[in-house]
Amino acid sequence: GAVVSQHPSRVICKSGTSVKIECRSLDFQATTMFWYRQFPKQSLMLMATSNEGSKATYEQGVEKDKFLINHASLTLSTLTVTSAHPEDSSFYICSATTGSYTDTQYFGPGTRLTVL
Amino acid sequence: AQRVTQPEKLLSVFKGAPVELKCNYSYSGSPELFWYVQYSRQRLQLLLRHISRESIKGFTADLNKGETSFHLKKPFAQEEDSAMYYCALSAQGGSEKLVFGKGTKLTVNP
Repeated sequence: GAVVSQHPSRVICKSGTSVKIECRSLDFQATTMFWYRQFPKQSLMLMATSNEGSKATYEQGVEKDKFLINHASLTLSTLTVTSAHPEDSSFYICSATTGSYTDTQYFGPGTRLTVL
Repeated sequence: AQRVTQPEKLLSVFKGAPVELKCNYSYSGSPELFWYVQYSRQRLQLLLRHISRESIKGFTADLNKGETSFHLKKPFAQEEDSAMYYCALSAQGGSEKLVFGKGTKLTVNP
């Protein structure tokens, strides 16, 4: 159990376009989802925390107008990279959790974004 | 501020040798500490958390509040243990946001 999927797994887009990445919890209800960014050979950097039905909380330095996060249901959160630029190229990973103190975060497989 | 430090980027041992992956943290409150593992071409997955006090795949980790450490240990490394290991900290349990260390790549040689 506790499977999280991401779609697409890879995406290539042109500079200036927008890209949407989906994160789904397949077999549990996720009250909270997290979005991370991972640069090559580096650690995961938390971008934002998304709670179902409310606005996302962004970490310092993350542009909320550039990285739009929507968590409209208990099984789906989306990250939209608006007006993408080559420096946005990265590996984006989501995680999901039920929100219980004793629970943990379940990670998606990640999405490789390449902006040309 | 919360910070997790993994001083070793790379660690290489031979099969059957003991292995210790170091993790130190900085946090003024009572943190919860985790070890996550990422095998080649697989997603990040939880290995263990300090409140569980479990041994998973032969790995153990003890939270030392005096030394602010949470080192991961295994007495006899196996080739299948080769992976990236990330230490992470949460201020309020596993469902809250995590601060990750930079990771240690463990290679277990035959």
